[in-house]
Amino acid sequence: LAKTTQPISMDSYEGQEVNITCSHNNIATNDYITWYQQFPSQGPRFIIQGYKTKVTNEVASLFIPADRKSSTLSLPRVSLSDTAVYYCLVGALKADKLIFGTGTRLQVFP
Amino acid sequence: GAVVSQHPSRVICKSGTSVKIECRSLDFQATTMFWYRQFPKKSLMLMATSNEGSKATYEQGVEKDKFLINHASLTLSTLTVTSAHPEDSSFYICSAILPRQGGSVEKLFFGSGTQLSVL
Repeated sequence: LAKTTQPISMDSYEGQEVNITCSHNNIATNDYITWYQQFPSQGPRFIIQGYKTKVTNEVASLFIPADRKSSTLSLPRVSLSDTAVYYCLVGALKADKLIFGTGTRLQVFP
Repeated sequence: GAVVSQHPSRVICKSGTSVKIECRSLDFQATTMFWYRQFPKKSLMLMATSNEGSKATYEQGVEKDKFLINHASLTLSTLTVTSAHPEDSSFYICSAILPRQGGSVEKLFFGSGTQLSVL
């Protein structure tokens, strides 16, 4: 599984767009990039998954450059309830041990 | 969406007792499930990979006799913490792989976690 690197923490204010970048220089051809959100005392929640270019769903967008060595999770207009830890996972799931990185602790202020 | 159910959500037990945690995939079959452990304000640590019908694969440093994993069916994996001690107190989380569906790829979904407190 490709090792990932994310900022330890980020601060934002309500209504702002937040972009969290994950570096994964050793990503393999078959690897997908998946982002999860975790609140205290809860299991991680699937946010979005992608392979290349851009993926968008109802809660976030995921931007992946052509070399796929990094990815950016974009949260539009965050609210206080978006305060959580965000993890990126890179791998082919079925074939890999799923090792979590440090995650990014996002704090949203009013 | 796919749901992984984990039970119980919280358990308090006396030192020396055993505790069983269940992880179920509610609307899909999961041949592979994973068990994690998480300490406060830390990331998830993979403990073992649970494969239906075969022995679990444990990560280095995880005692397989302490953390018994059984994956007897395609929808259920259990983690038993045997002879629990206070140092086993932690947040335990399971996850299951939702197989490829239609045009989508496999996805990993997590249970809600179990907070184990050993007195």
